[in-house]
Amino acid sequence: AQSVTQLGSHVSVSEGALVLLRCNYSSSVPPYLFWYVQYPNQGLQLLLKYTTGATLVKGINGFEAEFKKSETSFHLTKPSAHMSDAAEYFCAVSQQTGANNLFFGTGTRLTVIP
Amino acid sequence: NAGVTQTPKFQVLKTGQSMTLQCAQDMNHNSMYWYRQDPGMGLRLIYYSASEGTTDKGEVPNGYNVSRLNKREFSLRLESAAPSQTSVYFCASSDGPGLAVDTQYFGPGTRLTVL
Repeated sequence: AQSVTQLGSHVSVSEGALVLLRCNYSSSVPPYLFWYVQYPNQGLQLLLKYTTGATLVKGINGFEAEFKKSETSFHLTKPSAHMSDAAEYFCAVSQQTGANNLFFGTGTRLTVIP
Repeated sequence: NAGVTQTPKFQVLKTGQSMTLQCAQDMNHNSMYWYRQDPGMGLRLIYYSASEGTTDKGEVPNGYNVSRLNKREFSLRLESAAPSQTSVYFCASSDGPGLAVDTQYFGPGTRLTVL
């Protein structure tokens, strides 16, 4: 069974500061890992995903995440926050075999302070 | 290219009433999904359809039925709504045969309140 834990339901950063959103997962088999972003009153859109290969994954809008198997983590970072980054961010995991069933974390709401 | 569209955007029901949430995608995707999003719980899969003519239960299917009408459309039906079904419902679709690696594309959601 898979599960995802996102530490911190709310994170606030100043504009220009580093963004770090934490995600830890549990999976009995090698996982695929995803970060999705949800802007107010919109559906989710994919930021980035890890499947296989390079463990540092680059996504849209300057975000990146690193898969660390030993720590079962997939933290999301961005060097410099913009006001437009304010949104809710969801980490998700699916197993490499079987159907495309995503298991989502509970989300982290990012606030960017001007 | 509209992507994934959902109707209605908002709905208020009384306990026991029925309704169907509609979802359509114009990306020629094979797989479609229904999720519900509740505060503090993230998204949970209700049902999915890996291809036209097939449907499977997800994590929280009780109280719901689905129909994959054709490749474009995937509807979610509440036969007898309950207050516990108050939630935001998202439809999604993905290319490919429903493999775990596929990216899912989400609609804007339907906000349902059951009184």
